[in-house]
Amino acid sequence: HSALTQPASVSGSPGQSITISCTGTSSDVGSYNLVSWYQQHPGKAPKLMIYEVNKWPSGVSNRFSGSKSGNTASLTISGLQAEDEADYHCCSYAGSSTLVFGGGTKLTVL
Amino acid sequence: EVQLVESGGGLVQPGGSLRLSCAASGFSFSTYVMYWVRQAPGKGLEFVSVIRTNGGTIYYADSVKGRFTISRDNSKNTLYLQMGSLRAEDMAVYYCARDGGGLFKYYLDYWGQGTLVTVSS
Repeated sequence: HSALTQPASVSGSPGQSITISCTGTSSDVGSYNLVSWYQQHPGKAPKLMIYEVNKWPSGVSNRFSGSKSGNTASLTISGLQAEDEADYHCCSYAGSSTLVFGGGTKLTVL
Repeated sequence: EVQLVESGGGLVQPGGSLRLSCAASGFSFSTYVMYWVRQAPGKGLEFVSVIRTNGGTIYYADSVKGRFTISRDNSKNTLYLQMGSLRAEDMAVYYCARDGGGLFKYYLDYWGQGTLVTVSS
C-alpha cells in the first residue's frame, strides 16, 4: 500500500477552524471505517486524537472531529489554539492486519 | 498508568543487526495486540510490524519482510523487534504502540517514547 496523501502544511489563526485531508484508495480508507488521527509535537511520541473515523478517545477535546467521504478522510480542528500547533498523521487499516499512514501535515497557528 | 518504554536503539553499520525491546507496564500486556511503527528523520510514520496477543499472528511491511522479526514474551511484558540486514533507509525512530481495542481494533492508543536507530558506516 502506498502512503495516504496529506497536505504538507496547513495554517490558521487562533479561534479559526482548519481541515486536514487524508486521501487513500478503495483498498484502505474507502473500504473500512478504521481511520485514526494522531497529533505529534516536536520530539514527542504521537498521540491518538480520533479513531474509527469520528470517535474521541477519553480526554481529547471535542474541538477535534473526524469524517470520511469515499476514499478521503478529514480532520477538523475548531477554535484553533496555540497548543494545537503540531504535526498530524492520518492512518487507515489496509487489510491483512496492516496499517498505512499518511505523510503527515504540519499545522501552524499564526 | 500505561507505559511503554523502548530500548536497544543505537548506531549500526549497514548489513548489521540490532534488537529493540519494549517494556510494557500498567496494563494486561498479554491481552493486547502490539505494533512497531517507525519514523525516518523529517518523515511521516510507517507501519513496520504487528503481533497478536499470543504471537500466533504476525504481519510485516513489505519493506522489512524477511529482515525483521517481531516477537513477544508475555511473561516478561516485553515486545521485541529483531532487525537484520540493516540498510540506510531503516534509519528511524522506532516506536512500539498498543492496539486500542486489545484485539485488532487497528488504532494505536498508547505509544512509547521511541528509540533511534542510526544505520551508518
